[in-house]
Amino acid sequence: AQSVAQPEDQVNVAEGNPLTVKCTYSVSGNPYLFWYVQYPNRGLQFLLKYITGDNLVKGSYGFEAEFNKSQTSFHLKKPSALVSDSALYFCAVRATGGSYIPTFGRGTSLIVHP
Amino acid sequence: DTGVSQDPRHKITKRGQNVTFRCDPISEHNRLYWYRQTLGQGPEFLTYFQNEAQLEKSRLLSDRFSAERPKGSFSTLEIQRTEQGDSAMYLCASSRDGNEQFFGPGTRLTVL
Repeated sequence: AQSVAQPEDQVNVAEGNPLTVKCTYSVSGNPYLFWYVQYPNRGLQFLLKYITGDNLVKGSYGFEAEFNKSQTSFHLKKPSALVSDSALYFCAVRATGGSYIPTFGRGTSLIVHP
Repeated sequence: DTGVSQDPRHKITKRGQNVTFRCDPISEHNRLYWYRQTLGQGPEFLTYFQNEAQLEKSRLLSDRFSAERPKGSFSTLEIQRTEQGDSAMYLCASSRDGNEQFFGPGTRLTVL
């Protein structure tokens, strides 16, 4: 079985400050990890993924995520938040070598205050 | 790349009626996924196709739910005898390699 936990329903940050959205996972074997963003009344958009290689992954809109195998985490980060980053963020995991079916977390609402 | 499209965007129906949703994936993507999303939750996997083959359907919510992808291009999701608990956003996504997925805007179903 595979699962994802996003422990924070909401993250508040001031514009210009760094932001972190947390994600931990559980999977048999090695994980493939993903972050998606959902703006109001829009579909989910792919942000970044970890498949293999460097633990620090860079993605769209200046976001990055760090894969930590020992802590089974894949936190999303950005050095300087923008008001336009306010959205719902979803972490997802699937096992390598298994079915191509990801499991999504419940989502974290990011609110960036001007 | 014209993106994933879904039709209709909104559907209001009465309990007991059948509904069908359509998804057109990105043309070169061979994998197509259906999810359900309710308020405050992430996408919940329903079923997926590789080309025209439905590789996983055990997670369809009940035998009232069915999906097809007859020619490996567009797909339909049908819900028979709708119930109020079926009210949700139904998402479609496609993928070229089974990794990152590209989502459509969703179909919002309201069952009265």
